[in-house]
Amino acid sequence: AQKITQTQPGMFVQEKEAVTLDCTYDTSDQSYGLFWYKQPSSGEMIFLIYQGSYDEQNATEGRYSLNFQKARKSANLVISASQLGDSAMYFCAMRVMNRDDKIIFGKGTRLHILP
Amino acid sequence: EAGVVQSPRYKIIEKKQPVAFWCNPISGHNTLYWYLQNLGQGPELLIRYENEEAVDDSQLPKDRFSAERLKGVDSTLKIQPAELGDSAVYLCASSLAGGADTQYFGPGTRLTVL
Repeated sequence: AQKITQTQPGMFVQEKEAVTLDCTYDTSDQSYGLFWYKQPSSGEMIFLIYQGSYDEQNATEGRYSLNFQKARKSANLVISASQLGDSAMYFCAMRVMNRDDKIIFGKGTRLHILP
Repeated sequence: EAGVVQSPRYKIIEKKQPVAFWCNPISGHNTLYWYLQNLGQGPELLIRYENEEAVDDSQLPKDRFSAERLKGVDSTLKIQPAELGDSAVYLCASSLAGGADTQYFGPGTRLTVL
């Protein structure tokens, strides 16, 4: 069965520091995609970054990068130079590209950026 | 370009009443998703449409929930009758196609059942 685990319910980080949000996943399928979303208090889920299981390079999008370690089944999100506006819930998600094509989300990590 | 539109943003009803949520996906997006998000949890897929066909409704409680996407564009999710435990945020998302295509989410509808 597929599963996403985010072990950090909440984190407090000083502004301008780098942040790593942990995500581990479990699947026996070879073809899958990993996503990170940000959900501010307004409620909208904002897409941040995507990593395909066959991508050899770690994905990067501006201040966001995904530390993909396939053998360890981890897909941690790294935010460089954190800003006050980064305070939000962050969700890791996985989509398995097989017949069932399931999409599952982790329980999220609440990030607080301190001034 | 407009994002995913959902209405209403908030809805308060009494238990046993019916309720409906509406979603208009991003123009040109063939795949539409409805998710349920309970407080402090990640979204859980209720149903996924490819055009007008529901290709995954395995998590939809069909005794009280129904959904439609008649012309393959906008969609409606209905609950009848609502129960206290249905209080949650209902999120709609769309993507160009399935597979690895990124899903873009709407702002959600926060339902409170009294």
